[in-house]
Amino acid sequence: SYVLTQPPSVSVAPGQTARITCGGNNIGSKSVHWYQQKPGQAPVLVVYDDSDRPSGIPERFSGSNSGNTATLTISRVEAGDEADYYCQVWDSSSDDRVFGGGTKLTVL
Amino acid sequence: QITLKESGPTLVKPTQTLTLTCTFSGFSLSTSGVGVGWIRQPPGKALEWLALIYWNDDKRYSPSLKSRLTITKDTSKNQVVLTMTNMDPVDTATYYCAHDVRSYFFDWGQGTLVTVSS
Repeated sequence: SYVLTQPPSVSVAPGQTARITCGGNNIGSKSVHWYQQKPGQAPVLVVYDDSDRPSGIPERFSGSNSGNTATLTISRVEAGDEADYYCQVWDSSSDDRVFGGGTKLTVL
Repeated sequence: QITLKESGPTLVKPTQTLTLTCTFSGFSLSTSGVGVGWIRQPPGKALEWLALIYWNDDKRYSPSLKSRLTITKDTSKNQVVLTMTNMDPVDTATYYCAHDVRSYFFDWGQGTLVTVSS
């Protein structure tokens, strides 16, 4: 089955840019979705189809996807962005949904 | 407004079968392209996709858990039911149901914590 690899943690100072990666074999050929999960809460979709944002998600959240790496970029990071972030794809060969292992974003 | 809510036991014994119900509103599972999925998260660990059912009753299961899972829907009641057999303490987790839209989960329930212990 398809495997997605994320760094366990990323740290960034307030106001800086955070980049969270999601690695997978030829992931650039798939649509990647990103979720934010704060402690004790359900995940929230922040980016879908590589780079689209649901209504209500700040423009500071953006995504890109090419080759073997997809990236979630959070610009002008705020304390409230501290959370776990998960990438997810649809494995078309099996019609399975696959999640990455998650990345804990710490705002210093 | 779309809402989903999971319900079921909070405690099950090892070897028992878990039955969880997702009751949703704001969309119809008879609409083409719509799906409802189940995802779980052990305490302190990552999200794990379990199963998905489509509007046309097609079903998909996580390969690693396929033998233990069954997903069904009752369109008239706006409900999706997940059963998992032979529960084990490692299955202790928060179980979420979510509205699947073109392969991503747009809306999520609040989750329900299921503990497996004798």
